[in-house]
Amino acid sequence: QVQLVESGGGVVQPGRSLRLSCAASGFTFSSYGMHWVRQAPGKGLEWVALLSYDGSNRYYADSVKGRFTISRGNSKNTLYLQMNSLRAEDTAVYYCAKDGGGDYLAWYFDLWGRGTLVTVSS
Amino acid sequence: EIVMTQSPATLSVSPGERATLSCRASQSVSSNLAWYQQKVGQAPRLLIYGASTRATAIPARFSGSGSGTEFTLTISSLQSEDFAVYFCQQFNNWPLLTFGGGTKVEIK
Repeated sequence: QVQLVESGGGVVQPGRSLRLSCAASGFTFSSYGMHWVRQAPGKGLEWVALLSYDGSNRYYADSVKGRFTISRGNSKNTLYLQMNSLRAEDTAVYYCAKDGGGDYLAWYFDLWGRGTLVTVSS
Repeated sequence: EIVMTQSPATLSVSPGERATLSCRASQSVSSNLAWYQQKVGQAPRLLIYGASTRATAIPARFSGSGSGTEFTLTISSLQSEDFAVYFCQQFNNWPLLTFGGGTKVEIK
């Protein structure tokens, strides 16, 4: 079954860290760029980060640059998001999403997970 | 940053009727636009990319049109499973990807 399943969300205090994971199945994970996208409660979608299929290219939204790190384990078919120095405004559902391209980046998302909720609160 | 504006915020439609959703970009995005469907508690689903190309397994009742700054998603005959929130997304100005605020299609 082609799917993405996020995990690792929870409640964390401001300034602390959290690592999200996204387990991929049903497709050749190592052949595709992967993204994180988030949605704050009652708000629209916000792109967070992209990692190319081979890990050679990373891009981040300005709002998370320097605090978040995207990585992947192709042998484990897993995408990660290390989130440091968390702020209240990082509170959101975090979605993992597959890039619509292959060995090129298409910059749209043809497969999404159901998301994991991160709440930053003291 | 390219601002994407969707209208209306809510669209009330009867089953079997046509629904027309709009998405406007603050500057040209060429045809680099995608549409997604999101139901409560479910993962978003890609409907359209390249402004008018249906994604895999998307029914023909969904169609996209437009280029530049004005785009439309049309659902020709609404089915019960189509009541959801629809988002547009521009990918012309990568990596500064931006989404519209969404249109909720509800049962009239």
